[in-house]
Formats: sequence, C-alpha cells, structure tokens
Amino acid sequence: DTGVSQDPRHKITKRGQNVTFRCDPISEHNRLYWYRQTLGQGPEFLTYFQNEAQLEKSRLLSDRFSAERPKGSFSTLEIQRTEQGDSAMYLCASRPTGTGNTIYFGEGSWLTVV
Amino acid sequence: AQSVTQLDSQVPVFEEAPVELRCNYSSSVSVYLFWYVQYPNQGLQLLLKYLSGSTLVESINGFEAEFNKSQTSFHLRKPSVHISDTAEYFCAVSDPSNTGKLIFGQGTTLQVKP
Repeated sequence: DTGVSQDPRHKITKRGQNVTFRCDPISEHNRLYWYRQTLGQGPEFLTYFQNEAQLEKSRLLSDRFSAERPKGSFSTLEIQRTEQGDSAMYLCASRPTGTGNTIYFGEGSWLTVV
Repeated sequence: AQSVTQLDSQVPVFEEAPVELRCNYSSSVSVYLFWYVQYPNQGLQLLLKYLSGSTLVESINGFEAEFNKSQTSFHLRKPSVHISDTAEYFCAVSDPSNTGKLIFGQGTTLQVKP
C-alpha cells in the first residue's frame, strides 16, 4: 500500500497560466475526493468521484476548474487561467465504498500563483 | 447542511501537561465525527473517528475524544502531551449518506512548549 500520491508537490505559475495536478489513489479505492486548503483554514470540499463518475461538485469549483478520472484510477485537476486567489494546497483523498470507511489523504500539491 | 466549529485557533501548552481541543458541530441528521492531524507541509492523517457505539474513542498515541450528542461536541483530549504532538488538528463531520465527504473545522494549532 503506497498511499495516495500527488504530483507535483509544488507548483509556481504566473497568473493566467493553466496548471494540472495529478492524484493516484490507493489501489482499489473507488472513491476519490479533491479538497482545497488555504493558509490557516481547514480543507474545503471541491468534488468527488465514484470510479470514473464525477458525482458532486462544490460551488467553489468555478468554470475554470475541471476534474477528471477517466479510467476510474488516477485523477487530474486542471485550473485554467489561474488567478492569485487560486493559491492554495490542493489535497486529494481516497477511500473504499462503504459506510464509515476512512478517507486517506495525500500530501497535497501546493500552488502559488504570482 | 453541516458545519464544524473549532473554538480555539491556537492552544499553547507545556510538555507533559493535559490538553483539550474543542469541537462543536451542527447537523440536522446523525453524523460521523473525525479528528485529523496535519504536520507541517504534509497531508492529513486520521487520528480517531466516531461512527457509533461507545461515545469515547481512543487513538493509538494517547488521544481520546468523546461524542456528546446533547452538546453536539466532540472534544479531543490528551492527559500528557509531547513536543512531537505539535501540529494542526482538524475536526470533521460527515453524514452517513453515500458521499462520505468530510466537512472540516478551521483547525486548531497545538503548540507544545518544553
């Protein structure tokens, strides 16, 4: 069990550029979640997948954000035309289906928009 | 809708002293409750969780939390803290519906001083 893996760990980009983050969940975990965490705040839910289906999206997920999980395994989170307000840590998490199962988090991808 | 309030943003305490980190939640349905810990520049790790049954739950490293339904609280306690317990602690709720998503509080920074 290698845990939830995220890449890159850190990304500095200029305002207006597009960025993409990748998440590899724990194998056989069919639920995958994306969260955003800003300094001094708790993580905020963005979206989640059941296998390849995106089942819920938060209002925080503006049109510039898109997430995919094409084969029900890894997932990508793309931010288009980045803004300074997008600077945050983007956390990926996964868990098996079933009531009460633990959600396991990756170490996050830090985004700094300059 | 559910929400979580962590009443203290920072808790300074001396090593070997007891500590309590407070968490209150709001929900119109029954909930599952969690405490996660986050060390600097890392993702979140599950500390303990309450799903049902005994209202007192314990972690392997000496923390415990008690679910109090009447007071809608899930405070985290440790009788004697160590320097290594210095971290950010997050309380979270999820409803027993199928999403499994977590709603987090703002976090409490535990600062253990020698």
